[in-house]
Amino acid sequence: AQTVTQSQPEMSVQEAETVTLSCTYDTSESDYYLFWYKQPPSRQMILVIRQEAYKQQNATENRFSVNFQKAAKSFSLKISDSQLGDAAMYFCAYYYSGNTPLVFGKGTRLSVIA
Amino acid sequence: GAGVSQSPSNKVTEKGKDVELRCDPISGHTALYWYRQSLGQGLEFLIYFQGNSAPDKSGLPSDRFSAERTGGSVSTLTIQRTQQEDSAVYLCASSLAIYRQYFGPGTRLTVL
Repeated sequence: AQTVTQSQPEMSVQEAETVTLSCTYDTSESDYYLFWYKQPPSRQMILVIRQEAYKQQNATENRFSVNFQKAAKSFSLKISDSQLGDAAMYFCAYYYSGNTPLVFGKGTRLSVIA
Repeated sequence: GAGVSQSPSNKVTEKGKDVELRCDPISGHTALYWYRQSLGQGLEFLIYFQGNSAPDKSGLPSDRFSAERTGGSVSTLTIQRTQQEDSAVYLCASSLAIYRQYFGPGTRLTVL
C-alpha cells in the first residue's frame, strides 16, 4: 500500500526567509502524481503545487517549488520569501490511478514569525 | 463559478444519534470523494463515487457509515449511532480531471 510520511509535525520560519518541508512516500508504481496542499484555519484545502512523476523537471509556482527525487521517493516543498499568509497546515499527497483517492501525510504545521 | 460546498459547517450531536452531512460538488464533476480528518491526523479516505459506477467504499471504518450520491451530483454521508471517536472534520472533494481534486470547507462534527 502507498504511504506518505511527513516527518516534521511543526516548522517555523521568519517572514521573508525560506523554509523547506519534507515528504517521503512509498510506492511500487512508476507513474503517479504528487501534491502539496495548504490548509489554513478556514479548513479549505488549497492545491499549492503538483508534480507528475514522469517529469524530471521540478514544478514551480511563484514562491513555491519542489525538489522531486524519484529514486529516493522524496518530495520536499520550498517556500521562498515566506509571508504571514503562508502560515497553515501543509499536506503532502500521492495519487496514481483514476480509481484511487489521494493518500495524505499527517501534515506539517507552518508558523511564520513577523 | 461556485466551488464545492458542504453543510452544515459545524454539527454537534449526542452519542448514539444519527447525522447526515451534505456535499454539493462543482457542477459537471463526475468524481466525488469523502475524507475524514481527525485531530492531528492527515486526511483519511472514506468513499469515492465515479459517474454511474459502483462506489468504492473501501475506506468506510464501520457499517455505521454510509453514503449516497443522487443524480450524479449531491452526496450525503450518513453516520448512524454516532460515537465520540467519530468526532472529526469531514471533507468532500470533487474532480473532473483525475489529478485535480477541489475540496469543500468541510463539516466539523462533534459527538458529545
